[in-house]
Amino acid sequence: SQQGEEDPQALSIQEGENATMNCSYKTSINNLQWYRQNSGRGLVHLILIRSNEREKHSGRLRVTLDTSKKSSSLLITASRAADTASYFCATDARMGGKLIFGQGTELSVKP
Amino acid sequence: DVKVTQSSRYLVKRTGEKVFLECVQDMDHENMFWYRQDPGLGLRLIYFSYDVKMKEKGDIPEGYSVSREKKERFSLILESASTNQTSMYLCASSRPTGNYGYTFGSGTRLTVV
Repeated sequence: SQQGEEDPQALSIQEGENATMNCSYKTSINNLQWYRQNSGRGLVHLILIRSNEREKHSGRLRVTLDTSKKSSSLLITASRAADTASYFCATDARMGGKLIFGQGTELSVKP
Repeated sequence: DVKVTQSSRYLVKRTGEKVFLECVQDMDHENMFWYRQDPGLGLRLIYFSYDVKMKEKGDIPEGYSVSREKKERFSLILESASTNQTSMYLCASSRPTGNYGYTFGSGTRLTVV
């Protein structure tokens, strides 16, 4: 089945720096979503970008989508220690359908 | 505050036991999902349901079954628990039409000994 693949698998930065995570997927999609997971907890929905959108912003988050390259990126600006978490991309191949998740990027933000 | 509630945060069961993992949502969502999460394998879909009494297999349904008798409740059943079912189990719900995110529960970490 299609799957998002995140890159890098792990990322360590200093507080105040920007963090960029990338996601690639295999087949056409209706939307792509990003989620965050704090250690040992459930996932929290961050942002959704539709297949006809190229860029979306939410607070310190910026998501881009390039359907020709089947890739997306998540940028977290001015990172904080509290941003330390795992970040997952997930693709929805049909409206309201099941999501396929990638394996995640583990972000560590050092104070 | 909208919620998906999973009945247990931690669970320890013995091999061969029948295990029930319960999930309840208060958002009147039609769709509900069960995933398991393992290191290096990410989240894998076990079963999902688009409506009461409806269920569809996900990518790894073997050894599991589900029940959805009421809209707000989606139960995952391990018919005969095995050690390879030791995992983090995550329940989620969503609206039926696309372009909405999932709401996840906090997860149940199941250990089968």
